[in-house]
Amino acid sequence: DAKTTQPPSMDCAEGRAANLPCNHSTISGNEYVYWYRQIHSQGPQYIIHGLKNNETNEMASLIITEDRKSSTLILPHATLRDTAVYYCIPERDNYGQNFVFGPGTRLSVLP
Amino acid sequence: KAGVTQTPRYLIKTRGQQVTLSCSPISGHRSVSWYQQTPGQGLQFLFEYFSETQRNKGNFPGRFSGRQFSNSRSEMNVSTLELGDSALYLCASRSELGADTQYFGPGTRLTVL
Repeated sequence: DAKTTQPPSMDCAEGRAANLPCNHSTISGNEYVYWYRQIHSQGPQYIIHGLKNNETNEMASLIITEDRKSSTLILPHATLRDTAVYYCIPERDNYGQNFVFGPGTRLSVLP
Repeated sequence: KAGVTQTPRYLIKTRGQQVTLSCSPISGHRSVSWYQQTPGQGLQFLFEYFSETQRNKGNFPGRFSGRQFSNSRSEMNVSTLELGDSALYLCASRSELGADTQYFGPGTRLTVL
C-alpha cells in the first residue's frame, strides 16, 4: 500500500498559485497518482493524473518527484470556485482497481 | 457526452426500510463503481460492476447489494436501513475494468431517520 499524507487544510489568495503537496513514500512503481477535488456535497471531479513525468492540462499541473515519493498539484491562478477538498490518490484497493481515498486537503481560496 | 447521472438526488427513509439508488454511467462506459461518503469514514468503496457482474467488493455488510443491467446502468440496494447508513452515495463510471480514470456522478444524499 502507498501511505498517503496531505496537509488537512491550506489557504490561498485569489489569483495566486495554489501548491498542494502530497507524500506517497511507498507508492509502487506502476501506480499512477490521481488528483480529484470535491466541492461541497458534489461528486469528486477528476483533475489530473501522472506516473513519473510532470503533467499539465487546462485545470492544473502535476509535479512528481523523480523518486515518485511525493507530488504537488499546482493551480496556477486560484479562483474562489477552486475552494474544495483535494484528494491525492496513489493507492488502490486490494484488487488493485478502485481508489482508496484519504481525508484530502481542504483548500480555501480567499478574496 | 453527458456525465454520470444518479437518481434520486435526495432521499429520506426510516430505520428498517430498504432503498434503491440508480446510476447511469457515461455513454460507452461499461464499469460502474459505488462509494459511500460519511463525515466519519470519508469516501469508501462499496463495489464495482462490469458486464453485469460484481467484480470487486469493499468491506460492507451484506445489506448492501447492487446489480448492473445490460445497458450498463446500475442500481444499489440497502436493506434494513440503519441510522449509520445516512451518507452521500456516489457512483463512478469508467470505460473498462482496467481503465484508471473514474468519473463521478453528483451523488444521492440518503438520510435515515
